[in-house]
Amino acid sequence: AQKITQTQPGMFVQEKEAVTLDCTYDTSDQSYGLFWYKQPSSGEMIFLIYQGSYDEQNATEGRYSLNFQKARKSANLVISASQLGDSAMYFCAMREGRTGANSKLTFGKGITLSVRP
Amino acid sequence: DAGVTQSPTHLIKTRGQHVTLRCSPISGHKSVSWYQQVLGQGPQFIFQYYEKEERGRGNFPDRFSARQFPNYSSELNVNALLLGDSALYLCASSMTGASGDIQYFGAGTRLSVL
Repeated sequence: AQKITQTQPGMFVQEKEAVTLDCTYDTSDQSYGLFWYKQPSSGEMIFLIYQGSYDEQNATEGRYSLNFQKARKSANLVISASQLGDSAMYFCAMREGRTGANSKLTFGKGITLSVRP
Repeated sequence: DAGVTQSPTHLIKTRGQHVTLRCSPISGHKSVSWYQQVLGQGPQFIFQYYEKEERGRGNFPDRFSARQFPNYSSELNVNALLLGDSALYLCASSMTGASGDIQYFGAGTRLSVL
């Protein structure tokens, strides 16, 4: 079974509107972390936001927020007030295991977001 | 402060050759991880190093090896290149490599094997 599932086809959003990018995950660990990265066409993976499995509040970073629903094993990224520069690939990733273990990230296949002017 | 730097940015090799990719972590970061990203896929974990010791290895053949130097920079070596090794190779650094750390990525090295 895939550990990170991103099944949305290419997403389109109008500039200044909000958009939700879906991510579901599969793990039997109690301790894990969920990450979202943005990858523009240049190739660099840019860190956006992090949610720990024990965090009670949903993570927020500026225009980015993470809608964490632990029971449903989903960690959707919400981008508010979309900008043209938000057009990119977006990857959801998970790190499993206890503190002190290696920090290997498992990535989904990504979602392409296009922002229309 | 400089981010994660990788060199070279692009590389073209032929089958059977050997390649060395280099990575300098963010200042103060002691852990480096390597990922392979094939076109149209998410990155796949290859190695993690912390304080010059290998902490994790992904499902890659022995043709792939890596090391970390006293200044925390790292090299990824790939021997006997195959066409399927063509990919974007990403390096990420983090403070300690512990599970709560954020990994910050470089811009990658695009390797083409002909």
